[in-house]
Amino acid sequence: KNEVEQSPQNLTAQEGEFITINCSYSVGISALHWLQQHPGGGIVSLFMLSSGKKKHGRLIATINIQEKHSSLHITASHPRDSAVYICAVIRDDKIIFGKGTRLHILP
Amino acid sequence: DGGITQSPKYLFRKEGQNVTLSCEQNLNHDAMYWYRQDPGQGLRLIYYSQIVNDFQKGDIAEGYSVSREKKESFPLTVTSAQKNPTAFYLCASSPYPYRAENTEAFFGQGTRLTVV
Repeated sequence: KNEVEQSPQNLTAQEGEFITINCSYSVGISALHWLQQHPGGGIVSLFMLSSGKKKHGRLIATINIQEKHSSLHITASHPRDSAVYICAVIRDDKIIFGKGTRLHILP
Repeated sequence: DGGITQSPKYLFRKEGQNVTLSCEQNLNHDAMYWYRQDPGQGLRLIYYSQIVNDFQKGDIAEGYSVSREKKESFPLTVTSAQKNPTAFYLCASSPYPYRAENTEAFFGQGTRLTVV
């Protein structure tokens, strides 16, 4: 079993829909990152969380340390949000990545 | 501004040649990492280093080599022994050991290596 599990693996939605991507982890962590990767592109760090909630524009990230779970929400989704979203946790000695969620927003 | 820089963004090499990917950080981070991503797959750990002049193998170290002669630099060499070198390579850095008040990690933009 992977130490970091993301769901769903793939998600297709219509423009304007509210999007939720989930990340569950089975290890004790110091912090969690949400990253964005566009097709053929590099990695962009969206959020780093160790507790609570953060918001940046239309993106919201939450984390529940007790439940070992984090969510990334996108409000009023747009086709330019189409990308792979990756959850990464910082454990005591390394960074562990989820396999990513491929998001496709249809116009 | 502090950050982590990978270069180049795209790299093409002929089969059988060694190639070195650069990763530099000016964040004073002790730990640095190299990951590989194949199409449709997650990022897998190749090598990591928690202190200068020391590094550890990750899950897929075969066919790769690294060095950590300076705190700010962690170059990755893809050798001719790596059977399938074409992939996306990501470098990351973080403080070590982790402390509750300082758990940042920074990620490079990545290098897309194509071997022909």
